[in-house]
Amino acid sequence: EDQVTQSPEALRLQEGESSSLNCSYTVSGLRGLFWYRQDPGKGPEFLFTLYSAGEEKEKERLKATLTKKESFLHITAPKPEDSATYLCAVRVSSNTGKLIFGQGTTLQVKP
Amino acid sequence: DVKVTQSSRYLVKRTGEKVFLECVQDMDHENMFWYRQDPGLGLRLIYFSYDVKMKEKGDIPEGYSVSREKKERFSLILESASTNQTSMYLCASSPAYRLSGNTIYFGEGSWLTVV
Repeated sequence: EDQVTQSPEALRLQEGESSSLNCSYTVSGLRGLFWYRQDPGKGPEFLFTLYSAGEEKEKERLKATLTKKESFLHITAPKPEDSATYLCAVRVSSNTGKLIFGQGTTLQVKP
Repeated sequence: DVKVTQSSRYLVKRTGEKVFLECVQDMDHENMFWYRQDPGLGLRLIYFSYDVKMKEKGDIPEGYSVSREKKERFSLILESASTNQTSMYLCASSPAYRLSGNTIYFGEGSWLTVV
């Protein structure tokens, strides 16, 4: 069964304290791994797509990496405005684009 | 920028009412989706459509139906709303599968409360 697991469920950081969020997956055929940011009461906002092991993408303080079994979202010197829930999702079907989501990691960055 | 617009942000409906949630995308995407999001359960796929008039059931289709008469518009219908359908509903769209550029974009969500 295709599955996506994110850890930790919640993470509290001090401003400037770098850390990483993990997304591990077991799927029959990966057609893309997506990272989203979701603020309370809003829809998920697209951050990155990764397609193959070894691929990396960066945006401001965020960097996403991908291996054959997991992806990491590295947050460097976070700021309070980085506080949000970060969702990982995998696309397993090339026909439909259906996504399987992890449960998310809720990040709180304190000043 | 891709825009997925959900017509209603907040709705309160009575048990047994028929409810329509509307979604429009402006990027000529082939695929459109409806998810619901609940605390502790994450995002779950209700229905998706990969072309006009085409639809397929997702993981939790019971109690819902959909309509896609035009490429840009995808409607979710609750035939007879029940309290266990109180949730946040998210519409999304994406292009048809390619080797790259398959990003799925979400709308802002519709909060539905059934009383």
